[in-house]
Amino acid sequence: ETGVTQTPRHLVMGMTNKKSLKCEQHLGHNAMYWYKQSAKKPLELMFVYNFKEQTENNSVPSRFSPECPNSSHLFLHLHTLQPEDSALYLCASSSPGLAGRPQYFGPGTRLTVL
Amino acid sequence: SQQGEEDPQALSIQEGENATMNCSYKTSINNLQWYRQNSGRGLVHLILIRSNEREKHSGRLRVTLDTSKKSSSLLITASRAADTASYFCATDAELGNTGKLIFGQGTTLQVKP
Repeated sequence: ETGVTQTPRHLVMGMTNKKSLKCEQHLGHNAMYWYKQSAKKPLELMFVYNFKEQTENNSVPSRFSPECPNSSHLFLHLHTLQPEDSALYLCASSSPGLAGRPQYFGPGTRLTVL
Repeated sequence: SQQGEEDPQALSIQEGENATMNCSYKTSINNLQWYRQNSGRGLVHLILIRSNEREKHSGRLRVTLDTSKKSSSLLITASRAADTASYFCATDAELGNTGKLIFGQGTTLQVKP
């Protein structure tokens, strides 16, 4: 868990605010992921980046905008969110390879949209 | 579509007992992984079993995989209070080894001291 850091750990924002979540991995991985975890729901994959290129957008609303400037950093820009977007947002990273790809998760950002 | 479904949704046992959690999935997989999540925290990878493996051990953990039944089980032996957490299975089913995982809803395990 300490190999992937996320900031902030908690965020409260109004529906008209713009904020960003940051994720950094220190594991030398080349793939990074954003997940949303809501109460009583399975973990939902939002975005996947491989070698800084977005390879998956799981039909995420445009009010969520990811950015991956390099293989170590991943951002999630938030604007005009809805109360139902309140959730735990988790970042993960993994290393490409033929032997399977365990993912390493950060501690998450607990987001509350008022 | 949801790939992994876990059973039971919640499990409460006494310290020292064994805990068994099951996961079923729908499509062919490259591998299946188990993760643990303590309340409000990130997930921690526990063990990965490939589609051509049937059983794997790691410390007090034992994972089985039955591809004919599209199911897996996680056994935690001699449980401890510190094992209290949610446990998730995740399947890697994509062609081309993309690393994309689909997670189940999880089993919440409570181990009473």
